[in-house]
Amino acid sequence: GENVEQHPSTLSVQEGDSAVIKCTYSDSASNYFPWYKQELGKRPQLIIDIRSNVGEKKDQRIAVTLNKTAKHFSLHITETQPEDSAVYFCAADISGNKLVFGAGTILRVKS
Amino acid sequence: GAVVSQHPSWVICKSGTSVKIECRSLDFQATTMFWYRQFPKQSLMLMATSNEGSKATYEQGVEKDKFLINHASLTLSTLTVTSAHPEDSSFYICSARDVDGGAGGNEQFFGPGTRLTVL
Repeated sequence: GENVEQHPSTLSVQEGDSAVIKCTYSDSASNYFPWYKQELGKRPQLIIDIRSNVGEKKDQRIAVTLNKTAKHFSLHITETQPEDSAVYFCAADISGNKLVFGAGTILRVKS
Repeated sequence: GAVVSQHPSWVICKSGTSVKIECRSLDFQATTMFWYRQFPKQSLMLMATSNEGSKATYEQGVEKDKFLINHASLTLSTLTVTSAHPEDSSFYICSARDVDGGAGGNEQFFGPGTRLTVL
C-alpha cells in the first residue's frame, strides 16, 4: 500500500528564515498531495495542496513543489513567523479516495 | 462553507462502556466520510471509510465489531466505540468529502475532533 515518509521530524528556524519540509510517497498512481497544519488539540487545517498535473503552486508565503518522477513533494514556508509554529503533515491520496499521512514535522519558529 | 462538526468534543467514560461520536457536514452533502485516530505526538491514522447507505470499509488491523460506523444520511456519520478500554483513549477525528466534488473531488474537510478518555 501507499507509504508516505516525511522529514525532518522537528525543525527549528529563526523568525524570518525559510522552512522546508519534504515528503516522499510510494504509489505512482497518487495524484493529490495536501499539506496540513495542526495546532495542539485542534483539527488539521489545509494550508495548500497540489495535483499531479502541476509542478509548483504558491500562496503568499507558502509554496509546494511536486516531482512525480521522483515521487516527492515539498512544502516551503518563507519569512517564517512565530504563529507558523505547529505540526505540519503531508499526505497523498490513494486512487483518488483516501489519504495516507506522513508522520508529521514539528516546526518551531524562534523570535 | 464546507464545515464539519463533531459531537462531543470530549468524553470521559468507564472501561467497558460504549461511546458514540457524531460527525456532521453542516453545509454540504458528503457521500464519503472518514474516521481517523490520532495518539499523542503521532500522525493521523485512517480507521475506516464510511459510505452513505453502505457498509464501512475498515483499514487493516481495525476491529469492525469494536468500532461501529453508521452513515445513514449524506450529512451524518457516527462512530461507536464499543466496550471501550484505556488503550482506546485517543483523539478521534472525522472528515468529509463534498459529494459535488469541489476542488477536484479530493479535498477532505475535517471535524474538530473528539478527545476520548477511558478510565
